[in-house]
Amino acid sequence: EVQLVESGGGLVQPGGSLRLSCAASGFSFSSYEMHWVRQPPGRGLERISSVGRGGDIIDYADSVKGRFTISRDNAKNSLYLQMNSLTAEDTAVYYCARSRGLDLWGQGTRVTVSS
Amino acid sequence: DVVMTQSPLSLPVTLGQPASISCRSSQSLVHSDGNTYLNWFQQRPGQSPRRLIYKASNRDSGVPDRFSGSGSGTDFTLKISRVEAEDVGVYYCMQGSHWPRTFGQGTKVEVK
Repeated sequence: EVQLVESGGGLVQPGGSLRLSCAASGFSFSSYEMHWVRQPPGRGLERISSVGRGGDIIDYADSVKGRFTISRDNAKNSLYLQMNSLTAEDTAVYYCARSRGLDLWGQGTRVTVSS
Repeated sequence: DVVMTQSPLSLPVTLGQPASISCRSSQSLVHSDGNTYLNWFQQRPGQSPRRLIYKASNRDSGVPDRFSGSGSGTDFTLKISRVEAEDVGVYYCMQGSHWPRTFGQGTKVEVK
């Protein structure tokens, strides 16, 4: 089955860190650029980071630049997001999505930053 | 960054009637390869987003033909020919022609 499955979310204190994972299956993961998109409660979608097929192009939204790091392991068909120095504004559901057209999304993983 | 502006942000609709959402980009979405990477997404309550339209006017597999996309350059439209109850949700446009990829603010479609 073609799918993306996110994991790693949870409750974390302000200033803390989390590492999100996205496991891909059913397709040639290394052939696609990949994205992390988040959605704060009751709000719209925000693309926060992207990585090219070979990891050559990496891009971050200003809101996470310097704090978040995207990476991929094509041998493991996995995408990652290392999140440091978390604040309440990072509370959101985090989705991974496939391709320039974001044609495939995971179910999301919830991150709550609170003391 | 390319700014994507949707209108309206809220769209009350009558079931069985048509609906239309506009999306405008701050610069042309025609890529150097000749394609226009403008996508439309639907997000039903409590669900992940789902792509409906890619490259401005191509319907994804399984998307009902009452959904259509049109436009070019900087002006794009998503139309629903006859709104059904299952169409309630938030619709987003997103451009994939320029880095960084950017979304519109979303248009909430609800039944009157």
